[in-house]
Amino acid sequence: NAGVTQTPKFQVLKTGQSMTLQCAQDMNHEYMSWYRQDPGMGLRLIHYSVGAGITDQGEVPNGYNVSRSTTEDFPLRLLSAAPSQTSVYFCASSPWRGPYNEQFFGPGTRLTVL
Amino acid sequence: AQSVSQHNHHVILSEAASLELGCNYSYGGTVNLFWYVQYPGQHLQLLLKYFSGDPLVKGIKGFEAEFIKSKFSFNLRKPSVQWSDTAEYFCAVNAAGGGADGLTFGKGTHLIIQP
Repeated sequence: NAGVTQTPKFQVLKTGQSMTLQCAQDMNHEYMSWYRQDPGMGLRLIHYSVGAGITDQGEVPNGYNVSRSTTEDFPLRLLSAAPSQTSVYFCASSPWRGPYNEQFFGPGTRLTVL
Repeated sequence: AQSVSQHNHHVILSEAASLELGCNYSYGGTVNLFWYVQYPGQHLQLLLKYFSGDPLVKGIKGFEAEFIKSKFSFNLRKPSVQWSDTAEYFCAVNAAGGGADGLTFGKGTHLIIQP
């Protein structure tokens, strides 16, 4: 199993540009989520999905969209990039949520918005 | 909603020293507790987890943590650290039986081990 994969690893955008961060998992996990990691802030949840066709907002959803058309993929869209979105983005997946929802993290995407 | 507090943002130790990283959470119900580690340039990996049972849990690489319900704490310990333990450590909590909104993470502790 490849586990959780993310592309690209690095990205530089100009303010106002849009882009999609890709996330895929091959473990047949129902639950997937996106976090951003900023220095001194830990990880904060952006959006999550408990299954194909179902998504919901986390702690910091503004400026981001998600969709979940398949179990495997959970892309994160930046609609109009802003410097405040400069961060490291992690995708994670977990078996169907319950009391044992250890999450498996991808390698991250480092995004810089100029 | 739950919250997590990690007491130390930066810790510097010498090799062979003992380690204890503090973690406190706030939530009125039953929780699942985790410690994740992020080595330089890498993604998060699970060190250990507590769901129920023995409050002293052992994880990988000689780490252990003790859940003290009365203190809402889940401190991470290691009796003798190594240079390779240099990393960022995150405590996380999820409400047991629910919590579709994922894990709530603490802000992290940056641990530096000096040779």
